[in-house]
Amino acid sequence: QKEVEQNSGPLSVPEGAIASLNCTYSDRGSQSFFWYRQYSGKSPELIMFIYSNGDKEDGRFTAQLNKASQYVSLLIRDSQPSDSATYLCAVLYGQNFVFGPGTRLSVLP
Amino acid sequence: DADVTQTPRNRITKTGKRIMLECSQTKGHDRMYWYRQDPGLGLRLIYYSFDVKDINKGEISDGYSVSRQAQAKFSLSLESAIPNQTALYFCATSDWDSQETQYFGPGTRLLVL
Repeated sequence: QKEVEQNSGPLSVPEGAIASLNCTYSDRGSQSFFWYRQYSGKSPELIMFIYSNGDKEDGRFTAQLNKASQYVSLLIRDSQPSDSATYLCAVLYGQNFVFGPGTRLSVLP
Repeated sequence: DADVTQTPRNRITKTGKRIMLECSQTKGHDRMYWYRQDPGLGLRLIYYSFDVKDINKGEISDGYSVSRQAQAKFSLSLESAIPNQTALYFCATSDWDSQETQYFGPGTRLLVL
C-alpha cells in the first residue's frame, strides 16, 4: 500500500512568518513529488514539483526533498492571509498519483 | 471558458439510483482521471484513462464504472448509489509528455440519501 502522510493541522502562523509543511511517503522508489494548494470549496492547483534531492525555489515557495529520509517539505516565506488553504502533498508512484490528506494552513493577519 | 468542466456541480440522489457524472476538457490532453475527496482522507483515485481505448482501475473502483467516449470526455457512473459514496468528486487531466501536472475540474458535490 502506497502511503503519503501529512499532519492535518490546522497550522497557524502570523502574517510575514515562514510556514513549514511536511510530508512523508512510504515507497523509496518514488521519483516525483508535488505540492498542491486547495482553497475551501475549490479544486486543487499545482504549486510546484520536485524530483531531485535538495531544494527547489519558486518565488516565496521552496520545496525540499530528502529521499533517504523519505520526506518532502514546503516552505512558504513571508506568509500572507491569502496563503490560507489546505496544502496537499502528492507522490507519483509509477503512473498514478497518491495524495496525502492535506495540511490546513491559517495565516493570521 | 474553463479548460476542465464537470457536470453537474451538485447532485442529490437516493440510495439505489444510477447516476452519471460527466467531465469534459478542452486542453487536448490524453490522460484523464476521476478522484473522490472525503474529509481527512485526501484525494483517492477511482479510475484513470490514458487514451480512448485505455481504462484502468484506481485505488477505490468498487461500485463505480467509467466510459471514455472521446479524448475530451470521461464519465463516471455509480450503478447503484449508496450513502458512503457521498463525497466531492474531481476530474483531472494531464498530458503524456508532462504528466506531472494535473489540471482539475471544479468538482461535483454528491449527496446520497
